[in-house]
Amino acid sequence: GAGVSQSPSNKVTEKGKDVELRCDPISGHTALYWYRQSLGQGLEFLIYFQGNSAPDKSGLPSDRFSAERTGGSVSTLTIQRTQQEDSAVYLCASSPTSGKNIQYFGAGTRLSVL
Amino acid sequence: AQSVTQLGSHVSVSEGALVLLRCNYSSSVPPYLFWYVQYPNQGLQLLLKYTSAATLVKGINGFEAEFKKSETSFHLTKPSAHMSDAAEYFCAVSRSSASKIIFGSGTRLSIRP
Repeated sequence: GAGVSQSPSNKVTEKGKDVELRCDPISGHTALYWYRQSLGQGLEFLIYFQGNSAPDKSGLPSDRFSAERTGGSVSTLTIQRTQQEDSAVYLCASSPTSGKNIQYFGAGTRLSVL
Repeated sequence: AQSVTQLGSHVSVSEGALVLLRCNYSSSVPPYLFWYVQYPNQGLQLLLKYTSAATLVKGINGFEAEFKKSETSFHLTKPSAHMSDAAEYFCAVSRSSASKIIFGSGTRLSIRP
């Protein structure tokens, strides 16, 4: 596609429910990143995919968070048993394997946990 | 470890005035440095990047930044502010290609008429 696409754009859920956030990277981009933007923590790295494997998942805040990428394209970030502190904007970015590390960001998914 | 410090969470300038947003970095390896801009309710857009070529980097919308190794700085400037420049600006650093980006805490730029 023309840019990184994220869905849904907004998600409201109740505490304790599971949520899935989707990211469609730019076609042909092999690298995919998830970040979280929250008021208290700023922009934080969560996980990085190269193809379908995740060589760096050091930013996942707890075992309630997981992500997968299939077919080297779409990625899903899953948050289990959501907590209020999970409320944030979740940003996805993709990058071609060009050695320049230019990451192109989607508009994000705003998650609100009530 | 890498980190980025942005001095000033909020900067306000008059329309037509110089914009200066400060960024200092810490990196144990030659860094890749970036400035991103985020307009209200939008995603991040890359303004410019430094990847060890020219130390003065020109970006979009008239912005530029100068890499100064001796000062570990990468300040963002624009000679004349425009109302449309009002946004949140993030300085960022990464180790190399295909690695995570470490963002600063952001500076909100306001433009006074």
